[in-house]
Amino acid sequence: GAVVSQHPSRVICKSGTSVKIECRSLDFQATTMFWYRQFPKKSLMLMATSNEGSKATYEQGVEKDKFLINHASLTLSTLTVTSAHPEDSSFYICSARDPGLASYNEQFFGPGTRLTVL
Amino acid sequence: GENVEQHPSTLSVQEGDSAVIKCTYSDSASNYFPWYKQELGKRPQLIIDIRSNVGEKKDQRIAVTLNKTAKHFSLHITETQPEDSAVYFCAASIGDSGYALNFGKGTSLLVTP
Repeated sequence: GAVVSQHPSRVICKSGTSVKIECRSLDFQATTMFWYRQFPKKSLMLMATSNEGSKATYEQGVEKDKFLINHASLTLSTLTVTSAHPEDSSFYICSARDPGLASYNEQFFGPGTRLTVL
Repeated sequence: GENVEQHPSTLSVQEGDSAVIKCTYSDSASNYFPWYKQELGKRPQLIIDIRSNVGEKKDQRIAVTLNKTAKHFSLHITETQPEDSAVYFCAASIGDSGYALNFGKGTSLLVTP
């Protein structure tokens, strides 16, 4: 199946700093990627849909100036958490669609990034 | 906004028994309903999905049923095995694009030998 990677897997930063998380589709081109936030023992909350070559679509309640998304190529989307605060600590996970598959709706998930803001 | 309700939140069954997880959705435009399995510390993996033009789909021990009129869909696992223990998430597409998904809160399934 399609493979999605994320980097870094874990990051600890000080309050006020910005953190960039990368999501890559390794063996396919993804015109659409998705960013989720997952709290411990909780569900996946969709934050935004990242579209290659255009602006991301943010879900209600998600601050676009706080969570900057860039999808500059067909294999890479980045999420930057700006001026991070302890409440931003969470597990961030991305997914991507492979439009070339017959099951084009299927989303392939990355391994996730654990962000801890001190 | 539109949401997906999932029940139960935890489910414990004995090996060999069946497990059923139910979800309801509110977006009448939703047309794609996947189920994901997430083992501890791992990424979610698609186990089965169903589109709105189908009422039931089966893959070996796993089946999904969909009632579009009632806006609910269910996951059925038969002959459960300890390795089925995981958190299961249902999801419904946001609108009819079939792309972005709203997830249920998850069901923690424990299969005891």
